[in-house]
Amino acid sequence: GESVGLHLPTLSVQEGDNSIINCAYSNSASDYFIWYKQESGKGPQFIIDIRSNMDKRQGQRVTVLLNKTVKHLSLQIAATQPGDSAVYFCAENGGDYKLSFGAGTTVTVRA
Amino acid sequence: SQTIHQWPATLVQPVGSPLSLECTVEGTSNPNLYWYRQAAGRGLQLLFYSVGIGQISSEVPQNLSASRPQDRQFILSSKKLLLSDSGFYLCAWSGTIQETQYFGPGTRLLVL
Repeated sequence: GESVGLHLPTLSVQEGDNSIINCAYSNSASDYFIWYKQESGKGPQFIIDIRSNMDKRQGQRVTVLLNKTVKHLSLQIAATQPGDSAVYFCAENGGDYKLSFGAGTTVTVRA
Repeated sequence: SQTIHQWPATLVQPVGSPLSLECTVEGTSNPNLYWYRQAAGRGLQLLFYSVGIGQISSEVPQNLSASRPQDRQFILSSKKLLLSDSGFYLCAWSGTIQETQYFGPGTRLLVL
């Protein structure tokens, strides 16, 4: 069945370096993708989204890349800061009301 | 701007007791509303969604139920809690399908 998954459950990055978080999806009908950030004890916070007619979208310090050929999504965080430490989830929407979430990648920023 | 509220923030309940969690949205009309559960260290599981007052769709069979008595109010209930109902419950809203879902602060439920 369809699933969304992140490649690595944890990522440790030095403060100031760039972070790359990867996500694979299997539903070829998905046409909308979202990245969320969840800090401990809080609800997920929207970071950035991308539709399937695009392959790249940039926000403030973040870039999402979409490769539909291999069904791969990535989130790049530039100049990672301590406040970026959190769990990051990718989610896909296959055209209905539901979002399918991956299990999440825990990002830890080292000072 | 839109805001979403959930309460209570934390709840400890004995097994077999009832449950009522409330979610309200401000700043938008006719939102799609969602209840999710998140187990510790896991992703989000969709429990219910609603596209309008009185319209509830259930995603997983369980002893939980949802209701939408008003346009911007979504309630999660149980008549008798189980130990397995423990978790982090999140409410979310979206404007239409294929739009971003925005999450509330969550309710941490511990059933003992």
